Formats: sequence, structure tokens, C-alpha cells
Amino acid sequence: QKEVEQDPGPLSVPEGAIVSLNCTYSNSAFQYFMWYRQYSRKGPELLMYTYSSGNKEDGRFTAQVDKSSKYISLFIRDSQPSDSATYLCAMSAVRNDYKLSFGAGTTVTVRA
Amino acid sequence: GAGVSQSPSNKVTEKGKDVELRCDPISGHTALYWYRQRLGQGLEFLIYFQGNSAPDKSGLPSDRFSAERTGESVSTLTIQRTQQEDSAVYLCASSQRNTQYFGPGTRLTVL
Repeated sequence: QKEVEQDPGPLSVPEGAIVSLNCTYSNSAFQYFMWYRQYSRKGPELLMYTYSSGNKEDGRFTAQVDKSSKYISLFIRDSQPSDSATYLCAMSAVRNDYKLSFGAGTTVTVRA
Repeated sequence: GAGVSQSPSNKVTEKGKDVELRCDPISGHTALYWYRQRLGQGLEFLIYFQGNSAPDKSGLPSDRFSAERTGESVSTLTIQRTQQEDSAVYLCASSQRNTQYFGPGTRLTVL
């Protein structure tokens, strides 16, 4: 079993829809959770960073962490074609740990 | 300013050949990382450089893999006697504090 499991997708939604992305994990020590966005032929870029359980909102993006269920989510509201990318979750047990555990990524296409 | 750059962007090689991948980090970033991204899999940590400290090589999958960094600048990842399972995108990232900034990667195909 992988340490981090991510819904593989691909996901195709119409413009304006809410995109819901999820990851589950097995290591209960994980406390720091990240979402990266990776455009085709580009490196990942950090989108959201959260600590422990709870919600964090940044514009159209909301990250949720449920440590009791070992489940994290990323929601994208009012999705745009420019949101079309692969989204990777990542997590670590230690703050600023350089050895992050990544999910495999979910490819999202937002249709105009 | 300029981001992390990597070269070549694509590399096709024959099984058994050696390859060298290059990473130019963001100027002033003391930390540098190499990852491997296989199709359908998450990023795998390979190696971490921090300033003049000894690198963390714990993620290198075999002794065919090695990496060097000159001070706080360029890094090269070398894969000797390449195998087909080495085919992947090799990503480099650098950071000054917490956030890792990734380069576009080198797509390696071993025939």
C-alpha cells in the first residue's frame, strides 16, 4: 500500500464547476499538508500549505484536512480553463521536511 | 527573476549508456533537491543538498545514480548504465527557506 493515495482521475468539468480533489494517507504522523499544481511540461508549484486539521481558503481554492480520517481535500470554485493541470498532494510529519510524500496526482481539465 | 532551469529538456538514450542531467537553481538558494517522477506515480525524493553540508543521498535508488553540486550553484545528476526503468521525468527544485521552486524537468527515455 502506498503511503499517500490520490484519486487518479482524470477529471473533466465544465467551466464554472466546483472541482473536488482528494488524498488519503496511512501515516498518522503527517501534520503538514500541501497541494501542488503542475502544468503540462512544467514543474510543480506550491498552491496551498496547511497544518493539522481544519480548512484554509485562498481565493477560489479551499484546502481541508481531516486527520481523524487521514483524508485531505482541495476544492476549486468557479473553475476556469486555466485551472487545467495536474494537482499533487504532498505531506510530511516534520515542519519544513524536505522529504515530502507525494500522491501520484490527478489530472484536471476544465472545458470552456 | 529567473527560475530553476534544467537541461536538457528531453533526453533519449540507449540502455547501458550514461547520462548527465543539469540543474541551475535560483541564485541565492542554498538548498537543492532532485526528484524522479515516473508516469502515474508521485514524486520520489532522490537527493538533497544544503549549503556545504553533506548531501542526503538516501533516496538514490541504486549506486548507478550519483549527484554533485558545486557550492551553491549548479548540480548534475548522473545515471550510469541506464536501464529502461530509469525512464522518467527528473525534477530539480531549490529553496531558500521553506518553499521549493521546481524546474521544468528533464524527460529521460531509455530505449
